[in-house]
Amino acid sequence: QVQLQESGPGLVKPSETLTLTCTVSGGSVSSGRYYWSWIRQPPGKRLEWIAYIHYTGTTNYNPSLKSRVAILIDTSKNQFSLRLSSVTAADTAVYYCARAIGGAGFALWVPDHWGQGTLVSVSS
Amino acid sequence: DIQMTQSPSSLSASVGDRVTITCRASQSISTYLNWYQQKPGEAPNLLIFTALNLQSGVPSRFSGSGSGTDFTLTISSLQPEDSATYYCHQSHSTPQTFGQGTKVEIK
Repeated sequence: QVQLQESGPGLVKPSETLTLTCTVSGGSVSSGRYYWSWIRQPPGKRLEWIAYIHYTGTTNYNPSLKSRVAILIDTSKNQFSLRLSSVTAADTAVYYCARAIGGAGFALWVPDHWGQGTLVSVSS
Repeated sequence: DIQMTQSPSSLSASVGDRVTITCRASQSISTYLNWYQQKPGEAPNLLIFTALNLQSGVPSRFSGSGSGTDFTLTISSLQPEDSATYYCHQSHSTPQTFGQGTKVEIK
């Protein structure tokens, strides 16, 4: 059973860059069958999809965040990461990493297994 | 962006009741609609993908239907462990978007 675990700072100052890492166990980020995603949930609000990446480097970003976001993958460490620049209080959220399934019968890739999430607060 | 609207926002039902949650998309998304269950402090759990396909390990009391803009999640016989918030999610167009959630409570 694949497991995902987010790691990173719980507190980031406004205008700084947030970097989160997702470590995958029980599966390989190099598997061509999956994409690897980031999703966030601000307090009391709905889930917001951020981006996903394939081990080949193919990516897809939420246009509302694209200018500030980068998603990277490190197959040697079996990890993928999220970088979000110029953060503001609006970026305060629980950030989830997830594996995504897709292929025939799917339009886009659907998160199926998620990490437990990590709360990131943006405050000076 | 495609807007996803769920109804009701919350409901309270008894164990054994049949529960129905609806989700409406602001434009047609074919059958690219998924349902998640989220319990407090936990990550979302995929229940149904592409409108009607039950994810492995999910109890058969959960079912999904619909196409185009209108979709339904049904719990045929509500169990205590089904107390959670349920989200619909469209995977038709970028950006993928979620509904606002339906909180299901047990009477």
